[in-house]
Amino acid sequence: GIQVEQSPPDLILQEGANSTLRCNFSDSVNNLQWFHQNPWGQLINLFYIPSGTKQNGRLSATTVATERYSLLYISSSQTTDSGVYFCAVATGANNLFFGTGTRLTVIP
Amino acid sequence: GAGVSQSPSNKVTEKGKDVELRCDPISGHTALYWYRQSLGQGLEFLIYFQGNSAPDKSGLPSDRFSAERTGGSVSTLTIQRTQQEDSAVYLCASSPPWAEESYNEQFFGPGTRLTVL
Repeated sequence: GIQVEQSPPDLILQEGANSTLRCNFSDSVNNLQWFHQNPWGQLINLFYIPSGTKQNGRLSATTVATERYSLLYISSSQTTDSGVYFCAVATGANNLFFGTGTRLTVIP
Repeated sequence: GAGVSQSPSNKVTEKGKDVELRCDPISGHTALYWYRQSLGQGLEFLIYFQGNSAPDKSGLPSDRFSAERTGGSVSTLTIQRTQQEDSAVYLCASSPPWAEESYNEQFFGPGTRLTVL
C-alpha cells in the first residue's frame, strides 16, 4: 500500500501561534484528505485536496502532487484546534491510507 | 443533511461472542468503507463496497470478519468469536457517486467502540 508520513508527531502551541503540518506520501494519488479527530473520536473533514491550494477560515492546505507532499497551515491557533490531525491518501475510489497523525495541543 | 451514522456507539462483549456493527451511509452515496482504529495499528482499512460490484475484502484481518451491504445502502460488519485483539473503534465512511467531481471524498461516521473482555 501507499506509505504516508506525517510530521511532526506532536506539536504544542501557544494560543494565537501559527503552525505547519506536513504529509509525505510514497506514490501518485488522486485523493488526499486532511481530517481533524476531535476528543470524541469523530473524524472531521477539513480538506479534500488532491492538488492545489484551498483555504477555509484560519486553515489552508496545499498539495504538490508531483513532489508527493501536502501541507496544512493553521493560523492564529485556538484551544479548540487541539486534537489529532490526519492526512490520508488514495488512488481512485479505493480505500484511504492514513498517516500516523500529528497531535496538536494548543495552550491558553 | 444527515451524515454517516453508526450503531451501537459502544459495545462491550465477552471473548468468543459474535458482534454486529451497523453503518448507515449518507443518502445517495454509492461507496461504503469500513476501517478500524486501534492503539497499536492506527487507522486501517477493512472492506470497501462500490455499488453492486463485488466488495474489496483485502483488508479483513481474518475469516472471523465479514460484512454485507443490503440494498446498496446499510452495511453490517460481523465479527465472529471475538478476541481481545479485536478491541478497537470501528469506523464507517461513505463517498459520493462517480458522476460527482469529488467522487472519492470520504465522510466518516462517529464510530463504534468495541471492547472485548
